[in-house]
Amino acid sequence: GAVVSQHPSWVICKSGTSVKIECRSLDFQATTMFWYRQFPKQSLMLMATSNEGSKATYEQGVEKDKFLINHASLTLSTLTVTSAHPEDSSFYICSASSWNTGNQPQHFGDGTRLSIL
Amino acid sequence: KQEVTQIPAALSVPEGENLVLNCSFTDSAIYNLQWFRQDPGKGLTSLLLIQSSQREQTSGRLNASLDKSSGRSTLYIAASQPGDSATYLCAVRPNSGYALNFGKGTSLLVTP
Repeated sequence: GAVVSQHPSWVICKSGTSVKIECRSLDFQATTMFWYRQFPKQSLMLMATSNEGSKATYEQGVEKDKFLINHASLTLSTLTVTSAHPEDSSFYICSASSWNTGNQPQHFGDGTRLSIL
Repeated sequence: KQEVTQIPAALSVPEGENLVLNCSFTDSAIYNLQWFRQDPGKGLTSLLLIQSSQREQTSGRLNASLDKSSGRSTLYIAASQPGDSATYLCAVRPNSGYALNFGKGTSLLVTP
């Protein structure tokens, strides 16, 4: 089945650091990737939708200059949290979809736990 | 805006019991509905996907139903096992777009 790999799985860093998270589709071409954020005991909230070769679409309230998304190829999207602060500590998870898999389950990575000190 | 609600928020049952998790959504214009399992600190595992034209899907001890007109879905787990302990998330995909709207989940604990 379709596999989505997310890296790193866990990051601890100092306040002010920028952190890059990678999301890769390993065995299919992901024309669209989604980035979600999950705070403790809360559900997943969509941050942005990333389409290959074009600018990401951000949800209301998500700062595009703080959360930089790049989807340069059909198998890779990256999320960079710039100048991270403790309030950015969260669980970030990506999912991938192909136009050819509209009737198939959306496939999720294993998530990245980000802790900012 | 689509609102997805899951009841109960938490559930504890002894091993062997059959149980039902509930999911409701406010906008019936959905493309499909998906049930996921999430273990603590982990990503999501897709359990069942029901297309809007379908009424139910089954996989092993799991059965999910969908009543789109009333905005409801249920996940039925038969003969529960301690290994079923996890958070179960319901998510709906709208007719337009691929992004999913998630409920807050039901945290299930199956005790030996």
